[in-house]
Amino acid sequence: EDQVTQSPEALRLQEGESSSLNCSYTVSGLRGLFWYRQDPGKGPEFLFTLYSAGEEKEKERLKATLTKKESFLHITAPKPEDSATYLCAVQAENVYTGNQFYFGTGTSLTVIP
Amino acid sequence: DAMVIQNPRYQVTQFGKPVTLSCSQTLNHNVMYWYQQKSSQAPKLLFHYYDKDFNNEADTPDNFQSRRPNTSFCFLDIRSPGLGDAAMYLCATSRESRDEKLFFGSGTQLSVL
Repeated sequence: EDQVTQSPEALRLQEGESSSLNCSYTVSGLRGLFWYRQDPGKGPEFLFTLYSAGEEKEKERLKATLTKKESFLHITAPKPEDSATYLCAVQAENVYTGNQFYFGTGTSLTVIP
Repeated sequence: DAMVIQNPRYQVTQFGKPVTLSCSQTLNHNVMYWYQQKSSQAPKLLFHYYDKDFNNEADTPDNFQSRRPNTSFCFLDIRSPGLGDAAMYLCATSRESRDEKLFFGSGTQLSVL
């Protein structure tokens, strides 16, 4: 069964304390892996798309990497405004219903000043 | 510059009383999606439209229906809301269904009394 698992569920960091979030996936026919940021009471906001193992993308303090089985979202020297839930989604080919997005349950990040 | 707009932001309904949630987009995207997201859970795809072609997820309850009268608008109808239907409902769009990131609205938080 296709599955996306994120860890940890919650993470508390001191401002400036770097860390990584993990997204592991078991899907067949991977078309792309997506990272989103979701603030409380709002819809997810797109961050990155990764398509193949070895690919990396960066945006400010965030860097996303991809292997054949997992992706990491590295946060370097986080600030309180980076506090949010980070969602991972995998798009996979489905022979019956086309291309499907499978979301993980997210990592809730809190950065303490 | 809002691109995916959901109304209302908060909706309260009574058990069994039909309710309609609306979504509009200014992106002229072909694909529109409805997701259900409960607290601390992954967004769950209910259905999506590619243009006017409707795709229903196998496990979406019959209680949920959708309409897309034109490219810009999409509606989610819940015929007889139950307590378990209380959730955030997210509308999203993408230009195409393959390899495309999703643009989300801010969501409608539905409460069922």
